[in-house]
Amino acid sequence: KAGVTQTPRYLIKTRGQQVTLSCSPISGHRSVSWYQQTPGQGLQFLFEYFSETQRNKGNFPGRFSGRQFSNSRSEMNVSTLELGDSALYLCASSLEPKGAYGYTFGSGTRLTVV
Amino acid sequence: AQRVTQPEKLLSVFKGAPVELKCNYSYSGSPELFWYVQYSRQRLQLLLRHISRESIKGFTADLNKGETSFHLKKPFAQEEDSAMYYCALSGKAAGNKLTFGGGTRVLVKP
Repeated sequence: KAGVTQTPRYLIKTRGQQVTLSCSPISGHRSVSWYQQTPGQGLQFLFEYFSETQRNKGNFPGRFSGRQFSNSRSEMNVSTLELGDSALYLCASSLEPKGAYGYTFGSGTRLTVV
Repeated sequence: AQRVTQPEKLLSVFKGAPVELKCNYSYSGSPELFWYVQYSRQRLQLLLRHISRESIKGFTADLNKGETSFHLKKPFAQEEDSAMYYCALSGKAAGNKLTFGGGTRVLVKP
């Protein structure tokens, strides 16, 4: 079955713009989480959605937001982009929020802010 | 707050030698612990989880609640084990989000 699909793979934006990233989870997975990966900070949790509801949120400013649709697909949005937002954004899905069976990650969207 | 510490950023071993990646955690309660691996140019993938007590690709990990550790071990490293390894924790006390350690890069030399 298809894995977690993230689009686009690469993005280049300028400061002040906004960006929307998309994630399609594995079929049947209802929990979707987002992570930011940078060389300096490593992997940091952004937020998690389950059944269209945000269940948990990391320590990121309000410029970072997300949503989940009824088909479990998720989008995250970053407004007023800053240079420091340049990172690999990873989406992960799991059967249920607890994630006891582990999360399956997508390949990520590499965002470069110039 | 939950925290995962991987003290070694880089581990370099020769092929056939044992390898042990250290992971220490802090958490109030009973955590779910995982090891994830990222091979070059591949996506992050689950290697093993403590609740299944499994051995994957020759790797094992034992949860030591007394020492709050979840070290990853392999008795005979192979060149294809060269990758980035992340220890991760989740649990009800922190909303079940995954918290990752900083990662350990393993380089297996021929």
